[in-house]
Amino acid sequence: AQRVTQPEKLLSVFKGAPVELKCNYSYSGSPELFWYVQYSRQRLQLLLRHISRESIKGFTADLNKGETSFHLKKPFAQEEDSAMYYCALRGDYGGATNKLIFGTGTLLAVQP
Amino acid sequence: EPEVTQTPSHQVTQMGQEVILRCVPISNHLYFYWYRQILGQKVEFLVSFYNNEISEKSEIFDDQFSVERPDGSNFTLKIRSTKLEDSAMYFCASRTSGIYEQYFGPGTRLTVT
Repeated sequence: AQRVTQPEKLLSVFKGAPVELKCNYSYSGSPELFWYVQYSRQRLQLLLRHISRESIKGFTADLNKGETSFHLKKPFAQEEDSAMYYCALRGDYGGATNKLIFGTGTLLAVQP
Repeated sequence: EPEVTQTPSHQVTQMGQEVILRCVPISNHLYFYWYRQILGQKVEFLVSFYNNEISEKSEIFDDQFSVERPDGSNFTLKIRSTKLEDSAMYFCASRTSGIYEQYFGPGTRLTVT
């Protein structure tokens, strides 16, 4: 079964502290994973995808196939990072669908 | 930067009524999606649409739901006879060919009373 698990509903950190948002997945093939972010009252936006291996706004995520994880990390949290973060898996590799399978999301609250 | 737009932002309807949620995908995109998010739950896939037909639908997308691309710009989701449990945020998304990043609209909050 294709599944994404984000074990933490809420992660509260102080400004300047490191952040790690956990994501584990279940997928039989070679996965393609994304992190989406939703700031207050805004749309879902792509933060990063594992294929591009880029760093956006200081966030990075490494795909660990052995642990089936794609945790999102940032060394120093900023107050503007406060948002809802969703991990997503591209399902049904190939074909015309390529739907996204989302985790339940983690609310990151960065305290001053 | 082009964006996916959705109207209305909030729709209140009575149980049993038909609703149509509208989306305008990014103009050169070819793949279109509807997702929904019930309050407090995860974002769930409803349906994907490509080349003027449904390419996949989820178990949620039963006979009460339909999608249409009536012209070159709009992409609609119709719920024929709404139920209380249809109350949710509905997101439209689109993507272009060869790139799997989906661009999301701001969502329509549907409240069924």
